[in-house]
Amino acid sequence: AQSVTQLGSHVSVSEGALVLLRCNYSSSVPPYLFWYVQYPNQGLQLLLKYTSAATLVKGINGFEADFKKSETSFHLTKPSAHMSDAAEYFCAVSPQGSSASKIIFGSGTRLSIRP
Amino acid sequence: DAGVIQSPRHEVTEMGQEVTLRCKPISGHNSLFWYRQTMMRGLELLIYFNNNVPIDDSGMPEDRFSAKMPNASFSTLKIQPSEPRDSAVYFCASIPGSSYNSPLHFGNGTRLTVT
Repeated sequence: AQSVTQLGSHVSVSEGALVLLRCNYSSSVPPYLFWYVQYPNQGLQLLLKYTSAATLVKGINGFEADFKKSETSFHLTKPSAHMSDAAEYFCAVSPQGSSASKIIFGSGTRLSIRP
Repeated sequence: DAGVIQSPRHEVTEMGQEVTLRCKPISGHNSLFWYRQTMMRGLELLIYFNNNVPIDDSGMPEDRFSAKMPNASFSTLKIQPSEPRDSAVYFCASIPGSSYNSPLHFGNGTRLTVT
């Protein structure tokens, strides 16, 4: 069965520091992978997605994620954190060949930015 | 595009009352999803419609919950009777088609409080 694990329910970094949010998945074949962001009192928004075209995926707001098959990881990074990045981030996995209803969300990581 | 529209944004009701949540998907999207988000359980898929037909309702918690999609531009999620444990944020999401690689477009949710 597919699963996704986000390491760290809460990450705090200083403004300008590197952001690293970890996501590991479990799948017999490489799935499609997504990162979503949720700002307070809003729904989830797509940040980026991996579709097997390239292992380094660039998303919105300066975020990128690196797909590493050998490590079954899809960690999200941003070189320099901004106060506006404070939000909750969800990693999600969608099994190839299945319908969108089979997407599995991680438990989320809340990112706080210190001034 | 107006995005996925949900109403109301907030709902406070007493235990035993009927609650109806509403969703208008993005025009042209023919798959619609209802999710529930709580601190304890994260994001849970309740039901998935494709072309107005319920395809997967295995996540509907119990008979008190029902969902309909009478046409391509409107869906409702009803809880009758409501209970305090139903308190959560309910999200509606839509995608074009039904593919596993389509990112979900979420509404801003309805925050339900049952006292």
